[in-house]
Amino acid sequence: AQRVTQPEKLLSVFKGAPVELKCNYSYSGSPELFWYVQYSRQRLQLLLRHISRESIKGFTADLNKGETSFHLKKPFAQEEDSAMYYCALQGAQKLVFGQGTRLTINP
Amino acid sequence: GAGVSQSPSNKVTEKGKDVELRCDPISGHTALYWYRQSLGQGLEFLIYFQGNSAPDKSGLPSDRFSAERTGGSVSTLTIQRTQQEDSAVYLCASSLDRPVINNEQFFGPGTRLTVL
Repeated sequence: AQRVTQPEKLLSVFKGAPVELKCNYSYSGSPELFWYVQYSRQRLQLLLRHISRESIKGFTADLNKGETSFHLKKPFAQEEDSAMYYCALQGAQKLVFGQGTRLTINP
Repeated sequence: GAGVSQSPSNKVTEKGKDVELRCDPISGHTALYWYRQSLGQGLEFLIYFQGNSAPDKSGLPSDRFSAERTGGSVSTLTIQRTQQEDSAVYLCASSLDRPVINNEQFFGPGTRLTVL
C-alpha cells in the first residue's frame, strides 16, 4: 500500500532560521516523490520533484530510500514561505498526498 | 492560457440534497483528477479519468459519490443525499497525459462544499 506521512501538522520558525518539513513514505515500488505548496488564497501547485534534483525558492529535498524519507529543507526561512506544504507519492495511477504541514514564518 | 477552473466556488446545501460540482480542465489535458481536502485529513484522492473513462475509482468514499467526464473535457462530480461529513473543499486537477512522473498535475481553485 502507498502511504505518505507528514508528522507535523503545524511548524513555526523565525525568519532566517533553517526549516525542515518531514515526510516519510511507504511504497513497495520505486518511489517518485513531490512537494506541493499552497499559499494563502492561491491554488495548490508543484514546488519540486525529487527526480529533478532541483532547488526551488531555496528549497531542496533529498530522497533517502534507506529511511524512506523525503524531507523538505531550506537553510534560511523567509516570510513568504508561510504556506501549507504537502508531500506526495506517485503511485500507479494517482498521487497519494500526506496530511500536510502548515508552515508559519515569524518575523 | 486559462488554468483549471471549477464551479461553483462555494456551495451550501442542506443535508440530504444532491449537489453537482463542475471541473473544466486545461485544454488538451487528457487526464483529470478529483481530490477532497478536509480539515485534518489532508488531500484525499477520489477518482481519475483518462479521456472519458475512469481507470481508478478507488477513492470514491461511498456509492453516493459519482463522476463523469464527457467529450474528454468537462467533468462533473455528483454527491447524492449529502451528509455533513461531505463538507470539504473538492479539488480538481488535470495533466497532459496519464499520471507518470513528468506529467505535472495542475490544480483548480476548488469548490468549498458546506452541508448544513
